[in-house]
Amino acid sequence: ETGVTQSPTHLIKTRGQQVTLRCSSQSGHNTVSWYQQALGQGPQFIFQYYREEENGRGNFPPRFSGLQFPNYSSELNVNALELDDSALYLCASSGAPGLSTDTQYFGPGTRLTVL
Amino acid sequence: KNEVEQSPQNLTAQEGEFITINCSYSVGISALHWLQQHPGGGIVSLFMLSSGKKKHGRLIATINIQEKHSSLHITASHPRDSAVYICAVTGTASKLTFGTGTRLQVTL
Repeated sequence: ETGVTQSPTHLIKTRGQQVTLRCSSQSGHNTVSWYQQALGQGPQFIFQYYREEENGRGNFPPRFSGLQFPNYSSELNVNALELDDSALYLCASSGAPGLSTDTQYFGPGTRLTVL
Repeated sequence: KNEVEQSPQNLTAQEGEFITINCSYSVGISALHWLQQHPGGGIVSLFMLSSGKKKHGRLIATINIQEKHSSLHITASHPRDSAVYICAVTGTASKLTFGTGTRLQVTL
């Protein structure tokens, strides 16, 4: 148990729809990172939030957006879903982003299927 | 070429065997992580290291910064070790760059 939870565990959507995935970080962790893991691939960095501000972004289009709240929860929103968005979405929480040697604690993931 | 390369991609071993998984990276890093992912997706952090060697139970991780290479060893492997083992690195921020993973299957 890492203390990081995600909801829902599974989700099925159709092309063009919008989706919101949720993550609850470990208490005291101000940094949350979101990753996309396609089947058979390693996770890819989407973006990171620190104290409710975006603190770095990977190579993902603007239709991927996020929010972080003061209560250590966060959201990943994806608009105009495409088939290739089907993946496992992982969030990971850690301390301050400047601590690059800080352990990241992963949630169990949300498996999104886009039909 | 990926920034983080792992080998082998797939590995099958018999219970009790000594296992080595290798990771090479091509960028400057501040830390290297070994992670374990079981079917269903959950990821567990096994080690984070920036130099030398760490040991936890039957698992040993080593890193050679000059050669940009790390190894994860499992001694006396067991079927419950079956999982995907992922190497990931961090630069100046806590963003992780992942390898594609090594799928390990340990049989009786």
